[in-house]
Amino acid sequence: QVQLQESGPGLVKPSETLSLTCTVSGGSMSYHYWSWIRQPPGKGLEWIGYFYDSGSTNYNPSLKSRVTISGDTSKNQFSLKLNSVTAADTAVYYCAREWFGYSGSGSYYDRFDPWGQGILVTVSS
Amino acid sequence: QSVLTQPPSVSAAPGQKVTISCSGSSSNIGGNYVSWYQQFPGTAPKVLIYDNNKRPSGIPDRFSGSKSGTSATLDITGLQTGDEADYYCGTWDSSLTAVLFGGGTKLTVL
Repeated sequence: QVQLQESGPGLVKPSETLSLTCTVSGGSMSYHYWSWIRQPPGKGLEWIGYFYDSGSTNYNPSLKSRVTISGDTSKNQFSLKLNSVTAADTAVYYCAREWFGYSGSGSYYDRFDPWGQGILVTVSS
Repeated sequence: QSVLTQPPSVSAAPGQKVTISCSGSSSNIGGNYVSWYQQFPGTAPKVLIYDNNKRPSGIPDRFSGSKSGTSATLDITGLQTGDEADYYCGTWDSSLTAVLFGGGTKLTVL
C-alpha cells in the first residue's frame, strides 16, 4: 500500500523559496503522476501541479511562474519549490498520487489517491 | 472564487439524504470525469467518488455520484453524524490544462 509523507521547513520568510519533499513508500514511482496540492487555513483546495516519472511536468497557470516540481525516482521522492513567497502562500501542503489520463470516450479522468498527511507552511518574517 | 461552484453548506437529519451539487462549464465538468473528496478537520482529503460515479473499495454505497451536462452531484443517503465533513468536487479543465476543485461544502448532520 503506497504511503506518502511530506517534509520540509514549517516557516519560510517572505520573498524566499519554499522547498518541500514528498517521500513515497510501499510502491514504485514509475508510470504514475505525482502532485502537490495546497489548502490555505480555512479555505479550499488548490492544485499546484504534477510530475510524471518521465520528467514531464504541468503546473497550475496561476502559479506557473513561481513553481518547480521535480522527482528522483531512484530515491522515491519528489519535490516542490515555490519561489518569491508571500503570506498568501501560507497553507497546508499535501503531496498525492494523481491518477490522470485520457479515456477512450474522449474525456480526461483525474483523481488523487492516496494523499500525504500534509504539512503546514507559514510565510512570515 | 472557484470555477467549480458548490454550496458553502448543506444540512440534514440523521438517516436522511443530502445532495451536494458542483457546477462548472463545458471545458471542465461538461467534458471530463468528476471526482469527490471527503475531508475531516485536520486531516487530508480522501477520494469518495471518481470517474463521476465509481467508488473506491471501502467506500459505502451510501455515497453515490452522478453527472449531467456541466453539473455533478454527490448523494449521501442514510446520513450519520460521522459524515459531518467538508466535501470537494474536482475535475480536469481542458482549456486551462489544470485540475480544478470546487470551493467545498460543509455538511452538518443535525
